[in-house]
Amino acid sequence: AQSVAQPEDQVNVAEGNPLTVKCTYSVSGNPYLFWYVQYPNRGLQFLLKYITGDNLVKGSYGFEAEFNKSQTSFHLKKPSALVSDSALYFCAVTGEGSSNTGKLIFGQGTTLQVKP
Amino acid sequence: NAGVTQTPKFQVLKTGQSMTLQCAQDMNHEYMSWYRQDPGMGLRLIHYSVGAGITDQGEVPNGYNVSRSTTEDFPLRLLSAAPSQTSVYFCASSIGQGVGHNEQFFGPGTRLTVL
Repeated sequence: AQSVAQPEDQVNVAEGNPLTVKCTYSVSGNPYLFWYVQYPNRGLQFLLKYITGDNLVKGSYGFEAEFNKSQTSFHLKKPSALVSDSALYFCAVTGEGSSNTGKLIFGQGTTLQVKP
Repeated sequence: NAGVTQTPKFQVLKTGQSMTLQCAQDMNHEYMSWYRQDPGMGLRLIHYSVGAGITDQGEVPNGYNVSRSTTEDFPLRLLSAAPSQTSVYFCASSIGQGVGHNEQFFGPGTRLTVL
């Protein structure tokens, strides 16, 4: 069965410092991995995805994520955090193959708090 | 394009009442889905559809029904509301018939309280 774990409920970082939000996954077959962000009282917005190819993927708002197959991880990173990055971040996974069609599984979310 | 729209934004029900949460998209997306969001639980997939006339169950389908008579609309029905269904509900859509490669576009959500 597919699963996603975001081990930190909250990440605190000072503005200007690098940030990392962690995600590990379990899926049969090759994984398709996503990061979404949710601002208060809003729906989720897509940030980036890994399907295949380069392990470092770049996305919206300066975010990037590194796919590590051996560690089954897909951590979200940003070199310099902004106060406006404060939000709830979700990692999500599905797998290759027809049995995984339609089944995108989300982690429980990590609240990122960036302080001035 | 309006994207993904949901109505109502807020709803309060009594236990045992029924209602339909509406979802529509104007992007001609094949795939549509319903999630519920609960604190500390992330988003959990309720039902999904890979095209008009085709629906399937997600992780937490009990107590919910769906239908997909058109590409644009994907309503979620609660037949007999229970307090455990108090949650925020999100509808989403994406290009194609699966979520393997494609980002989902989310609606603004419906906040449902069942008393």
